[in-house]
Amino acid sequence: QKEVEQDPGPLSVPEGAIVSLNCTYSNSAFQYFMWYRQYSRKGPELLMYTYSSGNKEDGRFTAQVDKSSKYISLFIRDSQPSDSATYLCAMTSMDSSYKLIFGSGTRLLVRP
Amino acid sequence: GAGVSQSPSNKVTEKGKDVELRCDPISGHTALYWYRQSLGQGLEFLIYFQGNSAPDKSGLPSDRFSAERTGGSVSTLTIQRTQQEDSAVYLCASSSNGDQPQHFGDGTRLSIL
Repeated sequence: QKEVEQDPGPLSVPEGAIVSLNCTYSNSAFQYFMWYRQYSRKGPELLMYTYSSGNKEDGRFTAQVDKSSKYISLFIRDSQPSDSATYLCAMTSMDSSYKLIFGSGTRLLVRP
Repeated sequence: GAGVSQSPSNKVTEKGKDVELRCDPISGHTALYWYRQSLGQGLEFLIYFQGNSAPDKSGLPSDRFSAERTGGSVSTLTIQRTQQEDSAVYLCASSSNGDQPQHFGDGTRLSIL
């Protein structure tokens, strides 16, 4: 079983919809949580970086961490066709804070 | 440039050949990382450099893989005697130090014939 599980999708939504992307993890030592966006043939681009449980908002993006359930989410409001990409969750532990453990990524398609 | 720069962007080579992949991190970033992204395995950590400390090589898949970082800046990942299973996208990232967010380059797409 992988340390980080993520539904590969694809997830197809109409423009303007609210998108919910999720990851679950098994290692309770994970403390730092990130969401990256990756366009085709490009490197991952950091979207959100969170440490504690709770919500963090940045523009149309909200990251949510629930450490008790080992579950993280990324919400995208008012989704746009330009949001079509693969979204990767990543996390690290305190004792290995530089070694990112990634989910497999969810492909998102926002239809005009 | 402002971001992490990797070269070449694409590399096609024959099985058994050696390849060198280059990474130029963001200026001032002391931490540098290599990852591999393949269809079956997703994104996997390979190696981590932090300043003058000994690198963490725990993610290198075999002794055919090696990496160095000269002068605390540019890094080279070398794969000797390439095999078809080495075909993947090799991504480099850097950060201001080892526990700060990592910023990725666009990778080198390696194909072994």
